[in-house]
Amino acid sequence: DADVTQTPRNRITKTGKRIMLECSQTKGHDRMYWYRQDPGLGLRLIYYSFDVKDINKGEISDGYSVSRQAQAKFSLSLESAIPNQTALYFCATSTLGNEQFFGPGTRLTVL
Amino acid sequence: QKEVEQNSGPLSVPEGAIASLNCTYSDRGSQSFFWYRQYSGKSPELIMSIYSNGDKEDGRFTAQLNKASQYVSLLIRDSQPSDSATYLCAWGGFKTIFGAGTRLFVKA
Repeated sequence: DADVTQTPRNRITKTGKRIMLECSQTKGHDRMYWYRQDPGLGLRLIYYSFDVKDINKGEISDGYSVSRQAQAKFSLSLESAIPNQTALYFCATSTLGNEQFFGPGTRLTVL
Repeated sequence: QKEVEQNSGPLSVPEGAIASLNCTYSDRGSQSFFWYRQYSGKSPELIMSIYSNGDKEDGRFTAQLNKASQYVSLLIRDSQPSDSATYLCAWGGFKTIFGAGTRLFVKA
């Protein structure tokens, strides 16, 4: 089935560690996104990419970086994790009409 | 002013009733509007998209858009306990802006 997958699903790490979250999709969409979700704050956009050569910062990109390795793969890195990056992270793809399809999420805890 | 405003709820309705969820947005140039449903611990799932003024119906769901008033709503008819979730309003330009969501509880 066409799908958006994320690995890992859960991760506990320590302050200062480098973390990579991976996203793969089989929907054939060019557009991919990384969001974080915190209670009461909704979904906030970290980075987005409209094709392999296009990377754009979202509203909360500080402390994060991304890599678009292929049309189907979009990775999010935390170079030096800090506790306030503890959150639920979602990868998504979208159609040209901006209808978004989300992966299952990664629950990240930074101690 | 937040770009997308939703009442956080919780909104509680009895089974079989109509649930009405509302959303206002700040960008008059917005062209695409969406409603997503998110069950606790799960990812958001698209349930409705609407692009022009008026109503759009899909099964028990009706989305209503009023661009002049910068207002979009979602009606859920014959609400079921399985509809209990958080509903996220969103508008999309070259990127999508989400509201914080309204929690809906449908009491059996």
